Amino acid sequence: NAGVMQNPRHLVRRRGQEARLRCSPMKGHSHVYWYRQLPEEGLKFMVYLQKENIIDESGMPKERFSAEFPKEGPSILRIQQVVRGDSAAYFCASSDRLASMNTEAFFGQGTRLTVV
Amino acid sequence: AQKITQTQPGMFVQEKEAVTLDCTYDTSDPSYGLFWYKQPSSGEMIFLIYQGSYDQQNATEGRYSLNFQKARKSANLVISASQLGDSAMYFCAMREGGNTDKLIFGTGTRLQVFP
Repeated sequence: NAGVMQNPRHLVRRRGQEARLRCSPMKGHSHVYWYRQLPEEGLKFMVYLQKENIIDESGMPKERFSAEFPKEGPSILRIQQVVRGDSAAYFCASSDRLASMNTEAFFGQGTRLTVV
Repeated sequence: AQKITQTQPGMFVQEKEAVTLDCTYDTSDPSYGLFWYKQPSSGEMIFLIYQGSYDQQNATEGRYSLNFQKARKSANLVISASQLGDSAMYFCAMREGGNTDKLIFGTGTRLQVFP
């Protein structure tokens, strides 16, 4: 029973390039959450998606960042024209329903993006 | 606004001793959940323990227990009989009730266990 799978684990991009981060939720899970962890900081919520729908994107930067969770395939977090400040660890979490109070968030191992 | 505060950037503990990691929170919602996660140097986020705002008893999971003091809005993690493998970052997080799904994380405490 595979957990949340993120790839790549490490991604290096030059300034101005695009970064695509993929997240395959746990089997049977249709809710996906993306978080960003800047160096020496805690995780910050970015976006919550269900299949084909963005439910809450209150933590997403207004420009250059987008996320999708298509009917088939993984969820994608896309960062266009990356800048050095985008260097961070990006975590995906999944659940099988709208998170209730005690729903544990199952996290992937994260993608570490380095912008050079 | 909801907020999680971890005031200890780093903690040291000797192997086999107990250690307490502090966490305070701020919310106006009477219904909320509190979580602790461990992040080892490999980077993954490992769920440790959960405490609900209406739970009557403090949560326990093996060597982990949560010292929940609702009036003080604190949810400290207690690790008993520390092991070298406990060395990691520890994050406290909160989820409020209603339709809010996101977790709000503190800045973390780096725990180092020495022999």
